[in-house]
Amino acid sequence: DADVTQTPRNRITKTGKRIMLECSQTKGHDRMYWYRQDPGLGLRLIYYSFDVKDINKGEISDGYSVSRQAQAKFSLSLESAIPNQTALYFCATSDSRQQYQETQYFGPGTRLLVL
Amino acid sequence: AQTVTQSQPEMSVQEAETVTLSCTYDTSENNYYLFWYKQPPSRQMILVIRQEAYKQQNATENRFSVNFQKAAKSFSLKISDSQLGDTAMYFCAFMNLNAGNMLTFGGGTRLMVKP
Repeated sequence: DADVTQTPRNRITKTGKRIMLECSQTKGHDRMYWYRQDPGLGLRLIYYSFDVKDINKGEISDGYSVSRQAQAKFSLSLESAIPNQTALYFCATSDSRQQYQETQYFGPGTRLLVL
Repeated sequence: AQTVTQSQPEMSVQEAETVTLSCTYDTSENNYYLFWYKQPPSRQMILVIRQEAYKQQNATENRFSVNFQKAAKSFSLKISDSQLGDTAMYFCAFMNLNAGNMLTFGGGTRLMVKP
């Protein structure tokens, strides 16, 4: 079983709709991240969470919100989707207690198309 | 803010040969990590290698090694004995340890290994 899972893997939605992307991990890591990848570009950080009660904005948080429901779950919401939010979304985790705590491990990605 | 530049959008190499992917970065920080991630057609982000900025010795992982030139802010990836499975997008990434462990990615290099 994958250590970091994302649901759904693919999603098509319409402008103005609210959608939620979910991330779950069985690695026992305390830190979780949401990134966005646009075609031909590297990933950019949307939000990150170092603990269940800790939420921080990343480079491109406008238009997004997150919820850390438990240590193992981190959800990303688009309150009112717009076409330029069409992208590939990645969840990642890291563990502050490990030797290589800075290393982030990525989920398989969710491809989102906003029409 | 940090920037990461990968100047080679696409590269190709013959199977079993060696190829070097370039990466430069710009930062005023002294405490950071550098990473190379691989993204095959499956779109999964896979860690290839990491380098701590305080270490002078270049990191190696089997057929993958880096040439880390801190003064020049250069971090190239060398792949030896290239295999067909190395075909992928390769991303260089910078992590500022004083700024929430946020990863800043380069734009990527598409590597094609030819039989």
